[in-house]
Amino acid sequence: TQTVSQSDAHVTVFEGDSVELRCNYSYGGSIYLSWYIQHHGRGLQFLLKYYSGNPVVQGVNGFEAEFSKSDSSFHLRKASVHWSDSAVYFCAVSSYQGGRALIFGTGTTVSVSP
Amino acid sequence: DPKIIQKPKYLVAVTGSEKILICEQYLGHNAMYWYRQSAKKPLEFMFSYSYQKLMDNQTASSRFQPQSSKKNHLDLQITALKPDDSATYFCASSQTTGNNQAPLFGEGTRLSVL
Repeated sequence: TQTVSQSDAHVTVFEGDSVELRCNYSYGGSIYLSWYIQHHGRGLQFLLKYYSGNPVVQGVNGFEAEFSKSDSSFHLRKASVHWSDSAVYFCAVSSYQGGRALIFGTGTTVSVSP
Repeated sequence: DPKIIQKPKYLVAVTGSEKILICEQYLGHNAMYWYRQSAKKPLEFMFSYSYQKLMDNQTASSRFQPQSSKKNHLDLQITALKPDDSATYFCASSQTTGNNQAPLFGEGTRLSVL
């Protein structure tokens, strides 16, 4: 069984600050990890993914994430947030299966203050 | 222009009725999915289709029936609607269900069952 845990339900930062959103997963086999962003009332937008190779992956809008097998983590970071980064961020995991179901975490709401 | 079109954006239904949620994608993708997001549960995977064939079904209830009349269509028929079915239903697609594929999501259909 795959599970995803996002320990922070809500994070508040000031514009220009850095932010790190935590994601931990549990699964023993080959996995696929991704992050999505959801602005209020909108659909999910893909940010970045990891399957293999360099554990640090770059995404859109200055986001990056680092995979750690030893910590079972895939934390998302941004060096300098903008007000438009205010949204809910979802971490997702899936194994290679025919159906490719993504298992999502509960999400972290990021509020960026001016 | 949106590449994954979901119709309608909002839908109100009465308990016991039947509704069809429409999804069309213009990305040339071969895999399509349905996810559900409600206030009580995190984003949850429902179905995946590949080349118009059902690959995975994580929905316990047979009241939910995907329908794929064309390669780029995956509609969702819901019968005998219940208030607990109230949620936002997201359609997604990817080139294939294989590794290194990040599903792209539509804007969702927000269903309210009274």
